[in-house]
Amino acid sequence: DGGITQSPKYLFRKEGQNVTLSCEQNLNHDAMYWYRQDPGQGLRLIYYSQIVNDFQKGDIAEGYSVSREKKESFPLTVTSAQKNPTAFYLCASRGPQGSHLSYEQYFGPGTRLTVT
Amino acid sequence: DAKTTQPPSMDCAEGRAANLPCNHSTISGNEYVYWYRQIHSQGPQYIIHGLKNNETNEMASLIITEDRKSSTLILPHATLRDTAVYYCIVRPYSGGGADGLTFGKGTHLIIQP
Repeated sequence: DGGITQSPKYLFRKEGQNVTLSCEQNLNHDAMYWYRQDPGQGLRLIYYSQIVNDFQKGDIAEGYSVSREKKESFPLTVTSAQKNPTAFYLCASRGPQGSHLSYEQYFGPGTRLTVT
Repeated sequence: DAKTTQPPSMDCAEGRAANLPCNHSTISGNEYVYWYRQIHSQGPQYIIHGLKNNETNEMASLIITEDRKSSTLILPHATLRDTAVYYCIVRPYSGGGADGLTFGKGTHLIIQP
């Protein structure tokens, strides 16, 4: 089945460690996104990528880094510079512009990161 | 993107129609209204979108006022599985949102048995 996978579902790290969250899609989508969600809040955009080897900062990119070496994969690294890394992280992708799939973002199941 | 206002929570009886309002008084002419929902601890799910005409799909109907300053999402026969946070988002189409979506706090819809 086509979709977006994020792993792991729960992740625990010690403060000061970098951690990389996985996001893979087999939908053949060009655009991919990373969002962060804090309890009781909406989603905030961290980074997005419209095409391989290109990505842009979102609203809260500080303390995060991404790469887009393959169309299918858009990993997010939470660095030790991120002041409050504990959150629910969601990855999404979108169909090609101009297609009927372009208006909808497909979300993965999310990774809940806890840093102590 | 234009700002949206939604009630923080709503209750609806199972089997009844759930009507979720959204105000977007500063919407501009090229902005669409999108609705997503998020079931607890899952990723958001697209529901429907529209520009100015009313829209219907297998999940819901979207009613947009003539002045486009507000809209209502209608779930015609709510079930317990429709309990979720519903987000109303206004943004230009621009190919679907090349720079991501802005999610507010949404409306927590609780379907009562």
